[in-house]
Amino acid sequence: KAGVTQTPRYLIKTRGQQVTLSCSPISGHRSVSWYQQTPGQGLQFLFEYFSETQRNKGNFPGRFSGRQFSNSRSEMNVSTLELGDSALYLCASSTGLGLATNEKLFFGSGTQLSVL
Amino acid sequence: EDQVTQSPEALRLQEGESSSLNCSYTVSGLRGLFWYRQDPGKGPEFLFTLYSAGEEKEKERLKATLTKKESFLHITAPKPEDSATYLCAVQAMNTDKLIFGTGTRLQVFP
Repeated sequence: KAGVTQTPRYLIKTRGQQVTLSCSPISGHRSVSWYQQTPGQGLQFLFEYFSETQRNKGNFPGRFSGRQFSNSRSEMNVSTLELGDSALYLCASSTGLGLATNEKLFFGSGTQLSVL
Repeated sequence: EDQVTQSPEALRLQEGESSSLNCSYTVSGLRGLFWYRQDPGKGPEFLFTLYSAGEEKEKERLKATLTKKESFLHITAPKPEDSATYLCAVQAMNTDKLIFGTGTRLQVFP
């Protein structure tokens, strides 16, 4: 069974640009959550989607947005990139209701975003 | 405010030298505490979920315990392949969000 797939693996952008990251969950998983990981802050929750609906959102500015498609694949978008957005962006999927039911998360390997 | 603090930030052990990693938390009602392992260049991998004080779980050389204020991840006779960053996360009763600590980077030398 294939794991969580995130593309691209690496991305280099300049300030002011926008970026879209993609996440394909494990087959049959309906919940997808996104996290930002930086050396100083650790993993920080961005948002969670279940059945194409955003269930939860972390404390990030509106420049960070996401969506989920009917096949459970998810994308996150960051507009007007800032230097501080440089980070590893991780996607995780789970089988049922995800974070609402204490389920374990299956993480992808992440997209390493560098903003110059 | 819900908070998770892990210590130490880094730990170097000789192969076979047992030790413990600490995760202190402050939440308004604990729904669950999670331990994950993260290898360089990869996403975190689930290890354990603990729900109530006094609960313990084991997997190979790892044993996780939980009190009302902290959790410990005990590593018995570690091997070099146990080298990784160990992450602790908590989920509060009144929210679905996971709050992660910044992790403990463990290095085990032969």
